Amino acid sequence: SAVISQKPSRDICQRGTSLTIQCQVDSQVTMMFWYRQQPGQSLTLIATANQGSEATYESGFVIDKFPISRPNLTFSTLTVSNMSPEDSSIYLCSALQARRQFFGPGTRLTVL
Amino acid sequence: AQSVAQPEDQVNVAEGNPLTVKCTYSVSGNPYLFWYVQYPNRGLQFLLKYITGDNLVKGSYGFEAEFNKSQTSFHLMKPSALVSDSALYFCDVRVMSQNNFNKFYFGSGTKLNVKP
Repeated sequence: SAVISQKPSRDICQRGTSLTIQCQVDSQVTMMFWYRQQPGQSLTLIATANQGSEATYESGFVIDKFPISRPNLTFSTLTVSNMSPEDSSIYLCSALQARRQFFGPGTRLTVL
Repeated sequence: AQSVAQPEDQVNVAEGNPLTVKCTYSVSGNPYLFWYVQYPNRGLQFLLKYITGDNLVKGSYGFEAEFNKSQTSFHLMKPSALVSDSALYFCDVRVMSQNNFNKFYFGSGTKLNVKP
C-alpha cells in the first residue's frame, strides 16, 4: 500500500497570500489527486495531477487559483493562490495504486 | 446528473448491535464502489471496494457491503458494532469517463456513533 505524507500539516495564512502544499508518496503511483474537505463534510475533487502535463481541473476550480505541479510519479504540489477566508479548508492529497485509493493526512488551512 | 447519496447524516447504534450505513447512487455506466472511514483529525482510510464478482464484499475491521444493482445501493454493514467504529464514513462511486480516467463522486458522509 502507498503511504502519503503532506507538508505542512496545518497553516494559518493572511488574506491575499499563497500557500504551496507538498504531497509525497513512498512509491510510484499512476494517478494523484487533490481534494478539498470542509471539516466534517464530504470531499470535493479539485483536480487530477498529471505527470508531465497540465492538471485536469474539475468544474469550479481553475489553474490560476489552484496551480498544481507533478514533476514525477511520487510527488505533487498544490498552491492555493491569493487566499481568502473562503479557502479555509482541509486539503487532501490522494494517489491511486492498483485500483486502490490512498489519502494523505491532509493540510488544515485557515485564512484570516 | 451523476450523484451519490448517503441519506443519513448520523447513525446511532449500541455496542454489540448490527450497524448499517446506507449509500445509493445514480451514475451512468458500470460503477466501481468504495467505502472509506475517517477518524477525527486523521486522513481517509480504505475499507472495502466492489469492482465485479460477488455482490457481498468483505473489508477491513469486520465491515462488509452489499452491491445491489437493481436498487443501485451499496450499504455498509457490520454484524456487531464497536465503540471504536465511531467515525465518519464516506461512500465513493467511480465511473470511467470518456477520457479513460475515473470520475469520482463522494457521498456527503455519515457520522456513526456507537454507544457503550
